[in-house]
Amino acid sequence: DTAVSQTPKYLVTQMGNDKSIKCEQNLGHDTMYWYKQDSKKFLKIMFSYNNKELIINETVPNRFSPKSPDKAHLNLHINSLELGDSAVYFCASSQAMGGFNTEAFFGQGTRLTVV
Amino acid sequence: DQQVKQNSPSLSVQEGRISILNCDYTNSMFDYFLWYKKYPAEGPTFLISISSIKDKNEDGRFTVFLNKSAKHLSLHIVPSQPGDSAVYFCAANGGTSYGKLTFGQGTILTVHP
Repeated sequence: DTAVSQTPKYLVTQMGNDKSIKCEQNLGHDTMYWYKQDSKKFLKIMFSYNNKELIINETVPNRFSPKSPDKAHLNLHINSLELGDSAVYFCASSQAMGGFNTEAFFGQGTRLTVV
Repeated sequence: DQQVKQNSPSLSVQEGRISILNCDYTNSMFDYFLWYKKYPAEGPTFLISISSIKDKNEDGRFTVFLNKSAKHLSLHIVPSQPGDSAVYFCAANGGTSYGKLTFGQGTILTVHP
């Protein structure tokens, strides 16, 4: 039973399209995240949510809009896709936001390729 | 501004020997540190963590050491096994980085049989 699952695993799309990536966690965690791993393999925070409330928006273009319908779900919608959006996007969740229990559990990633 | 750095892109070790992966940080407000392991086409998997109030934490073959004065931590794997071959990421949390993990760029560990 997958703890953090995200779909799709691979996504190939044309520039200018709008796409969504879905994420669900069954760990009962209050905090969920989106991370981006770029071509240089850096893992960088994009957004974090706590109890459906946006806590961190790390200067991400507003073409990216996260949506959290409930604590267990955090979806990522991307408008007007650009070539530079090509990356691997990871969803994650954790029990707490600071100190102990901030171990984040990651999904398998979504490899987005914009052509 | 890279606040967490792993200066060794790769490390090669013989099976049975010790693997030592290093990580440096610049933000003195970090108070919680974590190591993750990542296989290709999978998400990072949590390995071990340490709070800034400790200088060592051990879990089976994995030990993390923290030197706060030097702003340095290391992960020791003893004995190393071929299945340990993966990318290892160091991460930190705390202070102005509350609510997120700041990752290093990763070290590719290869354990040869």
